[in-house]
Amino acid sequence: DAGVTQSPTHLIKTRGQQVTLRCSPKSGHDTVSWYQQALGQGPQFIFQYYEEEERQRGNFPDRFSGHQFPNYSSELNVNALLLGDSALYLCASSSLRGVTEAFFGQGTRLTVV
Amino acid sequence: SQQGEEDPQALSIQEGENATMNCSYKTSINNLQWYRQNSGRGLVHLILIRSNEREKHSGRLRVTLDTSKKSSSLLITASRAADTASYFCATDGASGTYKYIFGTGTRLKVLA
Repeated sequence: DAGVTQSPTHLIKTRGQQVTLRCSPKSGHDTVSWYQQALGQGPQFIFQYYEEEERQRGNFPDRFSGHQFPNYSSELNVNALLLGDSALYLCASSSLRGVTEAFFGQGTRLTVV
Repeated sequence: SQQGEEDPQALSIQEGENATMNCSYKTSINNLQWYRQNSGRGLVHLILIRSNEREKHSGRLRVTLDTSKKSSSLLITASRAADTASYFCATDGASGTYKYIFGTGTRLKVLA
């Protein structure tokens, strides 16, 4: 049983470009949440997807968008990259059918130059 | 903004000693989770404690929750060098929808 998988592991992009990060949730989970973690900080909630819809959103600009597919996997898209978008992006998998733990992937390290 | 604050920010102990980390939060919660993070990689789930629970154990880990004080503590007994990591608490703010709010973490260093 695979846990939460994220791809790619590392990514370097140029300011102004667009990036897509991918996440496959843990088997049996239907909810995917995305977090941004800047160096030395705790993760910050970006948004959450359930039933292919964005259910909740944190304090992030519209440059951050996402998608959830019928198989529950998810993508995070960031447009017009800024240097400040450099961070570790974490995907969390959970199930809204009951109170269970939220499991995280290994993250994607995004560097914007 | 951060909901929780871990205390201390950094902790250095000798192998075999116990390590205690504290977490304070601001709003009511349904549950609180503790995570470990090694070298800026993914978060490893340690323990979930519900708001109606006061204490939970898992191996060498003991978590307490005091909802009246809006605080939690994580105790690692008989620490090992492999326990060196950052530890975070995360609360759901009573939303019950996995919009977790994290503190800034405690950086634990266990010296061999």
